[in-house]
Parts: sequence; C-alpha cells; structure tokens
Amino acid sequence: AQSVTQLGSHVSVSEGALVLLRCNYSSSVPPYLFWYVQYPNQGLQLLLKYTTGATLVKGINGFEAEFKKSETSFHLTKPSAHMSDAAEYFCAVSDQRFNKFYFGSGTKLNVKP
Amino acid sequence: EPEVTQTPSHQVTQMGQEVILRCVPISNHLYFYWYRQILGQKVEFLVSFYNNEISEKSEIFDDQFSVERPDGSNFTLKIRSTKLEDSAMYFCASSPDRPNSPLHFGNGTRLTVT
Repeated sequence: AQSVTQLGSHVSVSEGALVLLRCNYSSSVPPYLFWYVQYPNQGLQLLLKYTTGATLVKGINGFEAEFKKSETSFHLTKPSAHMSDAAEYFCAVSDQRFNKFYFGSGTKLNVKP
Repeated sequence: EPEVTQTPSHQVTQMGQEVILRCVPISNHLYFYWYRQILGQKVEFLVSFYNNEISEKSEIFDDQFSVERPDGSNFTLKIRSTKLEDSAMYFCASSPDRPNSPLHFGNGTRLTVT
C-alpha cells in the first residue's frame, strides 16, 4: 500500500527566500512520485515527476525535487520564491500499475512581499 | 496544449437528487479517473476506468456512484441519490498510457448538496 505525508499544512516564506515543502512516502513497491500545484479555483497542475533514473528532477516554474530512497522523501524546493508561487502543493505517489494516485493532504504556500 | 475539460464548474443540488458530472478527457488518452476533494481535505481517489470498464475503485465509490463513457469522448460520473457529505470538488483526470504517465486533471466541478 502507498501513502504520502506532507509536513506542514501551511508554509510562509518571504519573496526571494528558499521554498522547501516536505513530502515523505511509504510504498511497498518502487514508487512513482509527483508534485502537483493547485491555484485557487483551478485544477491540479503537474509540477514534476519522478519515475526512474536521475533522482533530482526539475519541473516547471523553477521547482525541483529530489528522490531520496533512504529517507523515503521527495521534498520540493525552489531557490527563490515569487509571489505567483502562492498556491497549494500536493505530493502524490503511484505504483507502477498506475491505477491510482495517493495524494498527501497538501501544503498551502504563502509568499510575503 | 490539450486539456481535460469538466462541466459544469459548479453544481448545486438538493439531497436525494441525481447528478451527472461531465468530463471530456484529452482525446488520445486511454485511462480515466475521478477524484474528489472535500473542502479542506486531501484529494481522494474514487475510480479508474479503462477499456470501457472500471479497473479499480475505492471504498468511497459505493453503489450510489457510477461512471460511463457513453460516446467515446465524454466520461461521466453519476451520483444516484446525493447526500450532504457528497459536497466536494470532483476532479476528472486522464492519462495516455502506463507506467510513466502522470495524470492530467481538469479544473473540477464543485458540487454543493443542500
């Protein structure tokens, strides 16, 4: 079975500061890992994904995440926050059968001017 | 870029009524999904659909729910007799193939049951 834990339901950073959103997963099989972003009143947009290969993956809008198997983590980072990054971010895990995704409870990112 | 489209964006219905939520997946995609998000809670899997049949469903997806792909382009979720607790945002998603394909989500339908 798969599950995802996102630490911190709310994260607040200043514009220009480092963004770090934490995600830990549990999976009985090699996982596929994803980060999605949800802007207000919108759907879920894929930021980045890890399936196989390089453990540091780069996504859209300057975000990246590193898969660390030993820590069962897939934290999302961005070196310099922008006001437009304010949104809710969801980490998700899927098994290789890809029948369903398991989402974390989400982290709302607030960016202060 | 192709999108998953959902209609309506907001549906208000009375308890006990039937609702149909509609989705048009991306045209060359083969796998279809419904998820829901109760306000303030996590996104939950409801059902996956492939080759004109349900491939997996969660415990939430009880006999009150059904899915259909009636005409090769639409993918619908029907709730037969809505309950207050069905109030949520319902997201449709599709993916082209497996195993390396992420889901593409629509903007959701907000269902309010009064």
